[in-house]
Amino acid sequence: QSVLTQPPSVSGAPGQRVTISCTGSNSNIGAGYDVHWYQQLPGTAPKLLIYRTANRPSGVPDRFSGSRSGTSASLAITGLQAEDEADYYCQSFDSSLSNSCVFGGGTKVIVL
Amino acid sequence: QVQLVESGGGVVQPGRSLRLSCAASGFSLRNHAMHWVRHAPGKGLEWVAVISYDGSDKYYGASVKGRFTISRDNSKNTLHLQMDSLTTEDTALYYCARKFCTSATCHNPFDLWGRGTLVTVSS
Repeated sequence: QSVLTQPPSVSGAPGQRVTISCTGSNSNIGAGYDVHWYQQLPGTAPKLLIYRTANRPSGVPDRFSGSRSGTSASLAITGLQAEDEADYYCQSFDSSLSNSCVFGGGTKVIVL
Repeated sequence: QVQLVESGGGVVQPGRSLRLSCAASGFSLRNHAMHWVRHAPGKGLEWVAVISYDGSDKYYGASVKGRFTISRDNSKNTLHLQMDSLTTEDTALYYCARKFCTSATCHNPFDLWGRGTLVTVSS
């Protein structure tokens, strides 16, 4: 079981909006630690998608956005495109696990 | 070209050892804390270990603590992971990943990943 909980999959038609939740606890997201999101396309390494909750690295389309509230964070994809079909992981830090980075279990986005 | 390239994976029997390497190119490894992250079949990403820019600070995930050792050779721009007492639970694709900071405890994101090296522990 991952420390951060994500839905196994979400789906949407092209052009639609989908959201991915990342639920933690008071020792990680709820403690205010940074939340980052990664996209992993099939057969490739993870790529940084969103950092510190809502910031996009250069080159990441503004269709991707992040937010957080309490012990959870969310990734939204608006105007869903076929190329967005991938696995998405949230990541934070957990103070109860001896300087551990923690990941969510990953969410597969399916474009219908 | 800025990249990380892992090597050293393979098939190994339970209880045996394996040493992974990660070669950096296009940048100097000495300016960065470096991590190992693994991805087991059918599971999510799992953080494995971190080492500070100068090797003075190291931390490990609970599932590998006492069995794995992270090290680095900045003169060769290379990161290593010595894995001992391997079990089938260690079967995974192992990535090295960079953080844009020097401390082992910084909360910056992983901004560069390698493509991974596959470790299969099987009798």
